[in-house]
Amino acid sequence: EIVLTQSPDTLSVSPGESATLSCRASQSVNSNLAWYQQKPGQAPRLLIYAASKRATDIPGRFSGSGSGTEFTLTISSLQSEDFAVYYCQQYNTWPPLTFGGGTKVEIK
Amino acid sequence: QVHLEESGGGVVQPGGSLRLSCAASGFTFSTYDMHWVRQVPGKGLEWVAFMRHDGNNKYYLDSVKGRFTISRDNSKNTLYLHMNSLRVEDSAVYYCLDGDLWSAYFKHWGQGALVTVSS
Repeated sequence: EIVLTQSPDTLSVSPGESATLSCRASQSVNSNLAWYQQKPGQAPRLLIYAASKRATDIPGRFSGSGSGTEFTLTISSLQSEDFAVYYCQQYNTWPPLTFGGGTKVEIK
Repeated sequence: QVHLEESGGGVVQPGGSLRLSCAASGFTFSTYDMHWVRQVPGKGLEWVAFMRHDGNNKYYLDSVKGRFTISRDNSKNTLYLHMNSLRVEDSAVYYCLDGDLWSAYFKHWGQGALVTVSS
């Protein structure tokens, strides 16, 4: 099973600043990694797939990078609606599909 | 547009059974591979089961093997999750999702169905 480790657990950021979230895989997942955003009381929303491709209707301030075992989600110029929990997910080697434990982005 | 609506959640005692349903619309359900993913409220996401569009190739999370069964009725555009021998740790919101064998990420999410296993 591929384990995804996200860091940090919580990121405190001021609106307008950028945020960098990390996801590390226990073995290579090539570029088969997705990122999701989840707000309280809502289902997750797909942001990024194939490590760097933005999903439909996702603003350009969200960008993904990385391959192999190290991945980054960058949110530039954070807006109020971006404060949420973010999860990474690998789909390279499964079953099982696996998710990271999440990073909470909170207002500083 | 794709719409997935889960139902059948509820409160059940440990050892009990429950069947979740997922009504799919807005796409050709019979050609889509489908998954179940669950989430304990306030916690992370956990993949549970997968079934190919034609009913072949079923995969399960190890902890649910032998207890849960994924099935589908393509004539009714409906996905099911039959859950037996339920445990307290199976309590979660269950989501049905479309995602194929090679690109198993999830674009479309419903509201989920809450399952609570408690005595």
